[in-house]
Amino acid sequence: KQEVTQIPAALSVPEGENLVLNCSFTDSAIYNLQWFRQDPGKGLTSLLLIQSSQREQTSGRLNASLDKSSGRSTLYIAASQPGDSATYLCAFSGNFNKFYFGSGTKLNVKP
Amino acid sequence: DAMVIQNPRYQVTQFGKPVTLSCSQTLNHNVMYWYQQKSSQAPKLLFHYYDKDFNNEADTPDNFQSRRPNTSFCFLDIRSPGLGDAAMYLCATSRDGTGYEKLFFGSGTQLSVL
Repeated sequence: KQEVTQIPAALSVPEGENLVLNCSFTDSAIYNLQWFRQDPGKGLTSLLLIQSSQREQTSGRLNASLDKSSGRSTLYIAASQPGDSATYLCAFSGNFNKFYFGSGTKLNVKP
Repeated sequence: DAMVIQNPRYQVTQFGKPVTLSCSQTLNHNVMYWYQQKSSQAPKLLFHYYDKDFNNEADTPDNFQSRRPNTSFCFLDIRSPGLGDAAMYLCATSRDGTGYEKLFFGSGTQLSVL
């Protein structure tokens, strides 16, 4: 059974801090790994996608890394802002078009 | 600009009363997925369509059905909703389902069962 674990489950930081969210998965035969943002009561927005052959991807203040051998991915957020407050979920894709999700890290950035 | 559209945004139904949730997409993607997400939990894949080919997850209850009449539309039918079916239902698409692509989500339908 594929499992995705995200630590911590919740995180509260003051504005301006750099922070790291963690994601671990049990299946090293992944096709890609994605990080999503979910605002309360809303759908998911894709932030970054890392192909299995890649090590990291960057978009603005976000940087995601992937280490298949250890089954880990991290999402680094630089200079956090109150608008970054949301739940961040990671998901990896395996065979047959299936995507497996973690339960997310709920981030609160305090002004 | 909306690419994956779910209607309605909120749905209230009665225990045992059939309900249908809808999803449409303007991306012309081949694959459409339905996920169930309960509060503070990971989205759980219920089933997906690759074109017209329906793929059910082994642990999806028979109470949940789906239809995809054409490329753009996909429906989730809950035949006899129970209290445990109250959740956010998320529709997603991917272009070819190779596993190397992004998932695009709709805004979700929040289902309440009274």
